[in-house]
Amino acid sequence: QKEVEQDPGPLSVPEGAIVSLNCTYSNSAFQYFMWYRQYSRKGPELLMYTYSSGNKEDGRFTAQVDKSSKYISLFIRDSQPSDSATYLCAMSERVPAAGNKLTFGGGTRVLVKP
Amino acid sequence: NAGVTQTPKFRVLKTGQSMTLLCAQDMNHEYMYWYRQDPGMGLRLIHYSVGEGTTAKGEVPDGYNVSRLKKQNFLLGLESAAPSQTSVYFCASSYGSGQETQYFGPGTRLLVL
Repeated sequence: QKEVEQDPGPLSVPEGAIVSLNCTYSNSAFQYFMWYRQYSRKGPELLMYTYSSGNKEDGRFTAQVDKSSKYISLFIRDSQPSDSATYLCAMSERVPAAGNKLTFGGGTRVLVKP
Repeated sequence: NAGVTQTPKFRVLKTGQSMTLLCAQDMNHEYMYWYRQDPGMGLRLIHYSVGEGTTAKGEVPDGYNVSRLKKQNFLLGLESAAPSQTSVYFCASSYGSGQETQYFGPGTRLLVL
């Protein structure tokens, strides 16, 4: 069983719809939760970063963490065709002496149709 | 400010050949990482470095070696390439302990025949 599970998609939505993405994990030591966006043939770029439980909002993006359920979500409001990408969740226990090792989900491919 | 750059962008190798992938960052980051990305597997950490002259194994280190002779460079070597090493390789860097943001390079596509 993978440490972090993520539905590969593709998730296809019409422009303007809300995109809902999620990841589940098994390691209760994870404290830092991130969402990366990866365009085709590009490197991942950090989108959202959350510590512990709760919500965080940044423009059209909202990240939620529910540590009790070991479940994190990313919502994209008013989706645009430019949001079409693969979204990767990533998590870290934060072990300072060993570097910030991230454990990634497999990614969900999102297609926003005009 | 180029961020994280990787060389080459694409390479084809025959089984048993060797090669070195180069990663460079101009952000004065202490930590650097090498990942591989395979379909449905997400990114998996190969090796990482917490500073110049130091390296450590990640999740999937077998078949790879690394060196960090200069702070800005992190080299990934394949001594004897195998088809199982066909993948997209990403380098990343971060400021260090307490800063979880990792900045990724554009990737190197490697095909081993």
